[in-house]
Amino acid sequence: AQKVTQAQTEISVVEKEDVTLDCVYETRDTTYYLFWYKQPPSGELVFLIRRNSFDEQNEISGRYSWNFQKSTSSFNFTITASQVVDSAVYFCALSEARDDKIIFGKGTRLHILP
Amino acid sequence: NAGVTQTPKFQVLKTGQSMTLQCAQDMNHEYMSWYRQDPGMGLRLIHYSVGAGITDQGEVPNGYNVSRSTTEDFPLRLLSAAPSQTSVYFCASSPVGVRQPQHFGDGTRLSIL
Repeated sequence: AQKVTQAQTEISVVEKEDVTLDCVYETRDTTYYLFWYKQPPSGELVFLIRRNSFDEQNEISGRYSWNFQKSTSSFNFTITASQVVDSAVYFCALSEARDDKIIFGKGTRLHILP
Repeated sequence: NAGVTQTPKFQVLKTGQSMTLQCAQDMNHEYMSWYRQDPGMGLRLIHYSVGAGITDQGEVPNGYNVSRSTTEDFPLRLLSAAPSQTSVYFCASSPVGVRQPQHFGDGTRLSIL
């Protein structure tokens, strides 16, 4: 069965610090997709990134970077030089190729302190 | 573009009442889905649809019904509301399948007394 674990329930860092959000997943499929979504205090859900299981290249988008490691079943998200606007709940999610379902982790609430 | 529109934004029901949460998208997306978000639980998939006339159950389908008569609309029905269904409900859509990024509505906050 598929599973997504975000062990960090809540993290607080001071502005300009780097922070990494952990995501560990379980799946029996060889083909699967991983996602990160952001939910700011306003409540909407915003897509950040998608990775498929055949693409282990790390990705960088501005201050955001993602580290996908199949060997450890992890898809971690790093924010460099954090800003107050990064304060949000971040969700990691997994979808297996064999069906049309998606499972989300329980989320990590990130507080960036000024 | 309106994107994904959910109505109502807030609703209070009494136990045993029925209600339909509306979801409409104007992006001609084939895949639509409903989630509930509870504190500390993340988002959980209730029902989903890969196209008009096709629906299937997600992780927590009990107590909810759906139908998909058009590409644009995907209503969620609570047949007999229970306090355990108090939650924030999100509708989402994507062009083809759940492997593509989901576009979410703004959510419906539902309280069952």
